[in-house]
Amino acid sequence: EIVMTQSPATLSVSPGEGAALSCRASQNVNNNLAWYQRRPGQAPRVLIRDASIRPTGIPVRFSGSRSGTEFTLTITSLQSEDFAVYFCQQYNSWPWTFGQGTKVEIK
Amino acid sequence: QVQLQESGPGLVKPSETLSLTCSVSGGSMNRYYWSWIRQPPGRGLEWIGYMSYNGATNYNPSLKSRVTISVDTSKDQLSLRLSSVTAADTAVYYCARHAYPEGSYSHFDSWGQGTLVTVSS
Repeated sequence: EIVMTQSPATLSVSPGEGAALSCRASQNVNNNLAWYQRRPGQAPRVLIRDASIRPTGIPVRFSGSRSGTEFTLTITSLQSEDFAVYFCQQYNSWPWTFGQGTKVEIK
Repeated sequence: QVQLQESGPGLVKPSETLSLTCSVSGGSMNRYYWSWIRQPPGRGLEWIGYMSYNGATNYNPSLKSRVTISVDTSKDQLSLRLSSVTAADTAVYYCARHAYPEGSYSHFDSWGQGTLVTVSS
Protein backbone atom coordinates (compact mmCIF):
# COMPACT_ATOMS: atom_id res chain seq x y z
CA GLU A 1 0.00 0.00 0.00
CA ILE A 2 1.27 3.45 -0.91
CA VAL A 3 1.54 5.81 2.04
CA MET A 4 0.75 9.47 1.42
CA THR A 5 2.33 11.90 3.87
CA GLN A 6 1.10 15.47 4.05
CA SER A 7 2.81 18.38 5.71
CA PRO A 8 2.34 20.48 7.63
CA ALA A 9 -0.62 19.23 9.64
CA THR A 10 -1.72 22.80 10.25
CA LEU A 11 -0.82 25.97 8.39
CA SER A 12 -1.63 29.40 9.77
CA VAL A 13 -1.98 32.00 7.05
CA SER A 14 -3.26 35.56 6.89
CA PRO A 15 -5.94 36.36 4.29
CA GLY A 16 -4.32 37.52 1.08
CA GLU A 17 -1.15 35.55 1.67
CA GLY A 18 -0.11 32.44 -0.21
CA ALA A 19 0.28 28.88 1.01
CA ALA A 20 2.11 25.78 -0.14
CA LEU A 21 0.93 22.35 1.00
CA SER A 22 3.02 19.24 0.54
CA CYS A 23 2.08 15.64 -0.15
CA ARG A 24 4.72 12.93 -0.49
CA ALA A 25 4.11 9.45 -1.84
CA SER A 26 6.06 6.45 -0.54
CA GLN A 27 6.31 5.13 -4.11
CA ASN A 28 5.98 6.47 -7.61
CA VAL A 29 2.38 7.39 -8.39
CA ASN A 30 3.13 9.08 -11.69
CA ASN A 31 0.74 12.00 -12.09
CA ASN A 32 -2.15 10.06 -10.59
CA LEU A 33 -2.74 12.39 -7.69
CA ALA A 34 -5.65 14.60 -6.72
CA TRP A 35 -6.10 17.37 -4.19
CA TYR A 36 -9.36 17.95 -2.39
CA GLN A 37 -10.79 20.69 -0.21
CA ARG A 38 -13.17 20.02 2.62
CA ARG A 39 -15.01 22.84 4.34
CA PRO A 40 -16.95 22.18 7.57
CA GLY A 41 -20.31 20.61 6.85
CA GLN A 42 -19.65 20.37 3.13
CA ALA A 43 -18.80 17.58 0.78
CA PRO A 44 -15.16 17.42 -0.28
CA ARG A 45 -14.48 18.84 -3.72
CA VAL A 46 -11.65 18.11 -6.09
CA LEU A 47 -9.33 21.05 -6.72
CA ILE A 48 -6.62 19.38 -8.76
CA ARG A 49 -6.54 16.10 -10.67
CA ASP A 50 -3.67 14.39 -12.44
CA ALA A 51 -1.23 16.34 -10.26
CA SER A 52 -1.68 19.69 -11.98
CA ILE A 53 -4.98 19.91 -13.82
CA ARG A 54 -7.64 22.19 -12.48
CA PRO A 55 -11.20 20.96 -13.14
CA THR A 56 -13.69 23.37 -14.63
CA GLY A 57 -14.84 25.91 -12.09
CA ILE A 58 -11.84 25.76 -9.77
CA PRO A 59 -10.28 29.21 -9.26
CA VAL A 60 -6.91 29.85 -10.85
CA ARG A 61 -5.38 30.65 -7.46
CA PHE A 62 -5.19 26.90 -6.91
CA SER A 63 -2.36 25.11 -8.68
CA GLY A 64 -0.65 21.77 -8.38
CA SER A 65 2.84 20.58 -9.20
CA ARG A 66 4.94 17.45 -9.00
CA SER A 67 8.60 16.69 -8.43
CA GLY A 68 9.18 12.96 -8.37
CA THR A 69 7.10 11.63 -5.51
CA GLU A 70 6.61 15.07 -3.97
CA PHE A 71 3.46 17.00 -4.81
CA THR A 72 2.58 20.56 -3.93
CA LEU A 73 -0.71 22.40 -3.81
CA THR A 74 -0.17 26.14 -4.01
CA ILE A 75 -2.83 28.64 -3.11
CA THR A 76 -2.11 32.23 -3.99
CA SER A 77 -3.81 35.05 -2.11
CA LEU A 78 -6.01 33.07 0.26
CA GLN A 79 -9.63 34.07 0.39
CA SER A 80 -11.91 33.59 3.40
CA GLU A 81 -13.51 30.54 1.81
CA ASP A 82 -10.11 28.87 1.39
CA PHE A 83 -9.64 28.23 5.10
CA ALA A 84 -10.42 24.56 5.16
CA VAL A 85 -8.85 21.12 5.24
CA TYR A 86 -6.94 19.88 2.19
CA PHE A 87 -6.02 16.31 1.45
CA CYS A 88 -4.32 14.44 -1.33
CA GLN A 89 -5.15 11.07 -2.85
CA GLN A 90 -3.24 8.73 -5.12
CA TYR A 91 -5.07 6.63 -7.67
CA ASN A 92 -2.07 5.05 -9.34
CA SER A 93 -2.12 1.84 -7.34
CA TRP A 94 -4.83 -0.09 -5.60
CA PRO A 95 -5.87 0.41 -2.85
CA TRP A 96 -6.36 4.13 -3.31
CA THR A 97 -4.84 6.01 -0.39
CA PHE A 98 -5.09 9.46 1.08
CA GLY A 99 -2.91 11.84 3.01
CA GLN A 100 -3.74 12.78 6.59
CA GLY A 101 -4.77 16.27 5.58
CA THR A 102 -3.55 19.82 6.14
CA LYS A 103 -5.73 22.29 7.94
CA VAL A 104 -5.31 25.85 6.67
CA GLU A 105 -6.40 28.22 9.38
CA ILE A 106 -6.60 31.97 9.73
CA LYS A 107 -3.54 33.48 11.33
CA GLN B 1 -23.83 18.00 -11.22
CA VAL B 2 -24.50 14.71 -9.49
CA GLN B 3 -25.22 14.92 -5.77
CA LEU B 4 -24.70 12.23 -3.15
CA GLN B 5 -26.27 11.96 0.29
CA GLU B 6 -25.41 9.39 2.93
CA SER B 7 -27.95 8.19 5.44
CA GLY B 8 -28.20 5.63 8.20
CA PRO B 9 -27.99 5.10 11.95
CA GLY B 10 -25.58 7.35 13.77
CA LEU B 11 -25.04 4.84 16.55
CA VAL B 12 -24.25 1.15 16.21
CA LYS B 13 -23.50 -1.32 19.00
CA PRO B 14 -20.25 -3.28 19.05
CA SER B 15 -20.41 -6.61 17.20
CA GLU B 16 -23.42 -5.48 15.18
CA THR B 17 -23.58 -4.58 11.50
CA LEU B 18 -23.26 -1.02 10.26
CA SER B 19 -25.58 -0.26 7.33
CA LEU B 20 -25.51 2.94 5.30
CA THR B 21 -27.19 4.12 2.13
CA CYS B 22 -26.01 6.69 -0.38
CA SER B 23 -28.68 8.30 -2.53
CA VAL B 24 -27.58 9.65 -5.90
CA SER B 25 -29.42 12.47 -7.63
CA GLY B 26 -28.81 14.67 -10.63
CA GLY B 27 -27.24 11.92 -12.67
CA SER B 28 -27.34 8.25 -13.53
CA MET B 29 -25.38 5.59 -11.69
CA ASN B 30 -24.87 3.72 -14.93
CA ARG B 31 -21.33 3.44 -16.33
CA TYR B 32 -19.69 4.66 -13.14
CA TYR B 33 -17.85 3.17 -10.18
CA TRP B 34 -18.99 4.10 -6.70
CA SER B 35 -16.90 4.00 -3.53
CA TRP B 36 -17.23 4.23 0.21
CA ILE B 37 -14.54 6.08 2.12
CA ARG B 38 -14.25 6.77 5.84
CA GLN B 39 -12.33 8.96 8.24
CA PRO B 40 -11.95 7.96 11.88
CA PRO B 41 -11.56 10.83 14.36
CA GLY B 42 -8.06 12.24 14.25
CA ARG B 43 -6.97 9.99 11.42
CA GLY B 44 -6.70 10.10 7.67
CA LEU B 45 -9.19 9.00 5.06
CA GLU B 46 -9.44 5.30 4.29
CA TRP B 47 -10.88 3.88 1.09
CA ILE B 48 -13.27 1.05 1.97
CA GLY B 49 -14.26 -0.34 -1.41
CA TYR B 50 -16.19 0.16 -4.60
CA MET B 51 -18.90 -1.34 -6.69
CA SER B 52 -19.33 -0.62 -10.36
CA TYR B 53 -22.54 -0.04 -12.23
CA ASN B 54 -22.32 -3.58 -13.58
CA GLY B 55 -21.65 -5.26 -10.25
CA ALA B 56 -17.87 -5.48 -10.06
CA THR B 57 -16.55 -5.03 -6.53
CA ASN B 58 -13.20 -4.37 -4.96
CA TYR B 59 -12.52 -3.97 -1.27
CA ASN B 60 -9.67 -2.70 0.82
CA PRO B 61 -7.82 -5.79 2.08
CA SER B 62 -7.90 -4.38 5.60
CA LEU B 63 -11.71 -4.57 5.64
CA LYS B 64 -12.49 -7.14 2.98
CA SER B 65 -13.71 -9.86 5.33
CA ARG B 66 -16.35 -7.59 6.86
CA VAL B 67 -17.52 -5.36 3.98
CA THR B 68 -20.31 -5.69 1.47
CA ILE B 69 -21.09 -2.94 -1.02
CA SER B 70 -24.07 -3.06 -3.32
CA VAL B 71 -25.66 -0.83 -5.94
CA ASP B 72 -29.32 -0.55 -6.88
CA THR B 73 -29.37 1.43 -10.10
CA SER B 74 -33.18 1.33 -10.23
CA LYS B 75 -33.27 3.30 -6.98
CA ASP B 76 -30.06 5.25 -7.61
CA GLN B 77 -28.64 3.99 -4.33
CA LEU B 78 -25.33 2.66 -3.09
CA SER B 79 -25.20 0.66 0.11
CA LEU B 80 -22.54 -0.30 2.63
CA ARG B 81 -22.64 -3.08 5.19
CA LEU B 82 -19.81 -3.51 7.66
CA SER B 83 -20.15 -6.42 10.04
CA SER B 84 -18.78 -7.10 13.51
CA VAL B 85 -18.03 -3.47 14.20
CA THR B 86 -15.84 -2.23 17.02
CA ALA B 87 -15.00 1.20 18.35
CA ALA B 88 -12.28 1.39 15.71
CA ASP B 89 -15.01 1.61 13.07
CA THR B 90 -16.25 4.91 14.50
CA ALA B 91 -15.79 7.35 11.65
CA VAL B 92 -17.36 9.76 9.20
CA TYR B 93 -18.43 7.68 6.23
CA TYR B 94 -18.53 9.14 2.72
CA CYS B 95 -19.78 7.88 -0.57
CA ALA B 96 -18.09 9.12 -3.72
CA ARG B 97 -18.16 8.68 -7.47
CA HIS B 98 -15.10 7.73 -9.49
CA ALA B 99 -14.63 10.45 -12.06
CA TYR B 100 -14.48 8.55 -15.34
CA PRO B 101 -17.14 6.28 -16.82
CA GLU B 102 -16.29 2.59 -16.75
CA GLY B 103 -13.05 3.18 -14.86
CA SER B 104 -11.95 2.85 -11.25
CA TYR B 105 -8.43 4.27 -11.53
CA SER B 106 -9.42 7.85 -11.09
CA HIS B 107 -9.98 10.57 -8.58
CA PHE B 108 -13.38 11.13 -7.03
CA ASP B 109 -15.34 13.92 -8.67
CA SER B 110 -18.42 13.89 -6.45
CA TRP B 111 -18.72 13.22 -2.74
CA GLY B 112 -21.45 13.16 -0.16
CA GLN B 113 -21.22 15.35 2.92
CA GLY B 114 -20.47 12.35 5.06
CA THR B 115 -22.28 10.83 8.00
CA LEU B 116 -20.83 10.15 11.43
CA VAL B 117 -21.26 6.65 12.75
CA THR B 118 -20.33 5.97 16.34
CA VAL B 119 -19.82 2.44 17.59
CA SER B 120 -20.71 2.28 21.25
CA SER B 121 -22.83 0.28 23.62
